[in-house]
Amino acid sequence: GENVEQHPSTLSVQEGDSAVIKCTYSDSASNYFPWYKQELGKRPQLIIDIRSNVGEKKDQRIAVTLNKTAKHFSLHITETQPEDSAVYFCAAIPFTGGGNKLTFGTGTQLKVEL
Amino acid sequence: DTEVTQTPKHLVMGMTNKKSLKCEQHMGHRAMYWYKQKAKKPPELMFVYSYEKLSINESVPSRFSPECPNSSLLNLHLHALQPEDSALYLCASSQGRRETEAFFGQGTRLTVV
Repeated sequence: GENVEQHPSTLSVQEGDSAVIKCTYSDSASNYFPWYKQELGKRPQLIIDIRSNVGEKKDQRIAVTLNKTAKHFSLHITETQPEDSAVYFCAAIPFTGGGNKLTFGTGTQLKVEL
Repeated sequence: DTEVTQTPKHLVMGMTNKKSLKCEQHMGHRAMYWYKQKAKKPPELMFVYSYEKLSINESVPSRFSPECPNSSLLNLHLHALQPEDSALYLCASSQGRRETEAFFGQGTRLTVV
């Protein structure tokens, strides 16, 4: 099955700096890669996603890049703010006949310091 | 309405109890999911229902029994749980096609004593 690795496990940045989180996946058939943000005690929420026919996608301060050949994708957050502090999960969806079988990375605890 | 609603928010149960977790969505989604999340870990898929039929069971012990009464509702019946089953149980839904966003409920925090 699909295996998603995520690095780093913790990331501390100063407010205004950029943050980069990297993921790799194993199943070459995967072609949808969402990123979820989970604040303490809350539900995971989608912040951005990318499909395999696109190499890069941007939404305000957040961008995601995908390299299908190397099987890795990255989340970039610019001009970080304290409210960006949370756990971020990358995910991939391998081919399956029924429903979306999200496979999550291990998570990155991002802390934005004042 | 982009909400997935789960009840109860918190549940404490003994190892001999029987309880049920409930999940509801009114977005017309045809795929619904149960995930289990331990502290500081990613959500782990348990079950997937696609068009009200169980399509994926990730080798979950039989003490967890899912049910999908209709396209808007998803239940998880619990019986004879162990303390290690204590976790946050998340329900999610999506349109059912691949490559579509999964919306998560706020979860049920389960404690088995």
